[in-house]
Amino acid sequence: DAGVIQSPRHEVTEMGQEVTLRCKPISGHDYLFWYRQTMMRGLELLIYFNNNVPIDDSGMPEDRFSAKMPNASFSTLKIQPSEPRDSAVYFCASSRGQETQYFGPGTRLLVL
Amino acid sequence: RKEVEQDPGPFNVPEGATVAFNCTYSNSASQSFFWYRQDCRKEPKLLMSVYSSGNEDGRFTAQLNRASQYISLLIRDSKLSDSATYLCVVNMGAGGYQKVTFGTGTKLQVIP
Repeated sequence: DAGVIQSPRHEVTEMGQEVTLRCKPISGHDYLFWYRQTMMRGLELLIYFNNNVPIDDSGMPEDRFSAKMPNASFSTLKIQPSEPRDSAVYFCASSRGQETQYFGPGTRLLVL
Repeated sequence: RKEVEQDPGPFNVPEGATVAFNCTYSNSASQSFFWYRQDCRKEPKLLMSVYSSGNEDGRFTAQLNRASQYISLLIRDSKLSDSATYLCVVNMGAGGYQKVTFGTGTKLQVIP
């Protein structure tokens, strides 16, 4: 059974460019989470969806960040325009109800 | 005060040793608790859930103390393969709403 799939695995871009991160949750899971991890701040929850509906986006750092979930099998996290301080590892996770969250392998983003 | 606090370590212990980590949380209404393990440059993975009655899985024992608002993880007979960062996770949500907070992690290095 496939786990959470994220793409790309690595992204290097220049400041000001748009970045789109993609996630496919585990089939049958009704919750999807986006996290950001840095050495300084650890793992931070950015936003989560329940049944494709955004429930809590209080962790989204600013308007440059947006997330969508057009259907149960796909979500995107977009940064526009990107800045060097956005450099981090971005994880997507999914769960069935409040059970275990399963994480994808992450996208390592470097903004120059 | 941070919502979830952990000693960052690192804890350097010899093989075969017993090591314990604590994690404190600030919200007394927190509902569920977990320990995740994260290997270097990998995604977090669930190690075990933490129940009020305490629970054990092989060499790992987790305890919850609601009165003092902390959870603990005990690892007996440490193996080299236990070297990782251990993340304390607290879910303060209820009734389908999730408010998941990760601690910044405690790094464990088991030495031959």
